[in-house]
Amino acid sequence: GAGVSQSPSNKVTEKGKDVELRCDPISGHTALYWYRQSLGQGLEFLIYFQGNSAPDKSGLPSDRFSAERTGGSVSTLTIQRTQQEDSAVYLCASSSAPNSPLHFGNGTRLTVT
Amino acid sequence: SQQGEEDPQALSIQEGENATMNCSYKTSINNLQWYRQNSGRGLVHLILIRSNEREKHSGRLRVTLDTSKKSSSLLITASRAADTASYFCATDGWAGGGNKLTFGTGTQLKVEL
Repeated sequence: GAGVSQSPSNKVTEKGKDVELRCDPISGHTALYWYRQSLGQGLEFLIYFQGNSAPDKSGLPSDRFSAERTGGSVSTLTIQRTQQEDSAVYLCASSSAPNSPLHFGNGTRLTVT
Repeated sequence: SQQGEEDPQALSIQEGENATMNCSYKTSINNLQWYRQNSGRGLVHLILIRSNEREKHSGRLRVTLDTSKKSSSLLITASRAADTASYFCATDGWAGGGNKLTFGTGTQLKVEL
């Protein structure tokens, strides 16, 4: 596609349920990032992929969060047993190389009720 | 804590005026980037300045970098109502390890007619 695509754009879930967020990066981009943005706040780094491997998982808030990337392309971020504090916008970005400008998707707005 | 901190947190100006936003960071960097975010959207890359550069221009944007003070500024000249957005600086320092961009908390710019 022309840009980074994220789905769903909005997700409302009940506390305790699992959710899966999807990111489809720009074709050929080897680096993929997940960030979380709470209302009116900056971006909190979650995880970085180079190809299919994740050299930096330091930002994942807890073991309820996991992410994978297959085929060097699509990535999924899974949150198990969601909590209300997980409510935020989850942004995905890709780049052609580490430390190159990032191209962001429009995010998934997650609301945990 | 955040690698980058923007100042001011919010800025309101009249159309045609210049807007200046500042960013401070804590560790050594390879480059510093500025991004813009319109409400409800992902971030858009504006400009990248490398650690060995002091100033860079792109259209109405002017970015400066002072590595001795660990600070950068973004100047938008002749502002327009369409420049209303949040602006973030991001650094690629190895704070926390790994290749990742760490974003500041942003400056909310409002340009009024």
